[in-house]
Amino acid sequence: ETGVTQSPTHLIKTRGQQVTLRCSSQSGHNTVSWYQQALGQGPQFIFQYYREEENGRGNFPPRFSGLQFPNYSSELNVNALELDDSALYLCASSSRDRETQYFGPGTRLLVL
Amino acid sequence: SQKIEQNSEALNIQEGKTATLTCNYTNYSPAYLQWYRQDPGRGPVFLLLIRENEKEKRKERLKVTFDTTLKQSLFHITASQPADSATYLCALGVDSNYQLIWGAGTKLIIKP
Repeated sequence: ETGVTQSPTHLIKTRGQQVTLRCSSQSGHNTVSWYQQALGQGPQFIFQYYREEENGRGNFPPRFSGLQFPNYSSELNVNALELDDSALYLCASSSRDRETQYFGPGTRLLVL
Repeated sequence: SQKIEQNSEALNIQEGKTATLTCNYTNYSPAYLQWYRQDPGRGPVFLLLIRENEKEKRKERLKVTFDTTLKQSLFHITASQPADSATYLCALGVDSNYQLIWGAGTKLIIKP
């Protein structure tokens, strides 16, 4: 069984640029959630995708957007990057029960 | 206001002793509560889930209690080992979209 993978592992961008982060969910999982985790803080829920539809969104502006593909992999897009967007971005997949989430290793984004 | 609180200071425990971590919350009515382990630079790893109608759950050396009256969960690691050193996060399942609300985590250090 393949776990959750994310790419890239690290990324450096400048303010105002756009970024796309990718996630491959665990085999058999149809739900993907994205989180932002600042240093020393718990993850903050960005949004969740279930069967290719957005299924809940946290308190993040519209410049954070996402997609889920038919194979249940997912993308997180962030436009007009700000310095405060620097964080670890985590993707988590879950199966039909959607309660237990399995996390990838994260993408560390630094905005300069 | 809604809050989830975990001890912000690191918890230092002697190897072989029981480590107890606390998660308190206010103004939430979670259907379930989860505990995760997170190592530096890695994604959280699921440990245990306990539902609102359960008082206690065990898994090997781990035990979780859940008191919905006190709005508190305790997480115990018995016979602690240096390999148990990590940050432990609690997360509340609060809505039908399976969104998780996270605490900031407690860093546990097990000394040989």
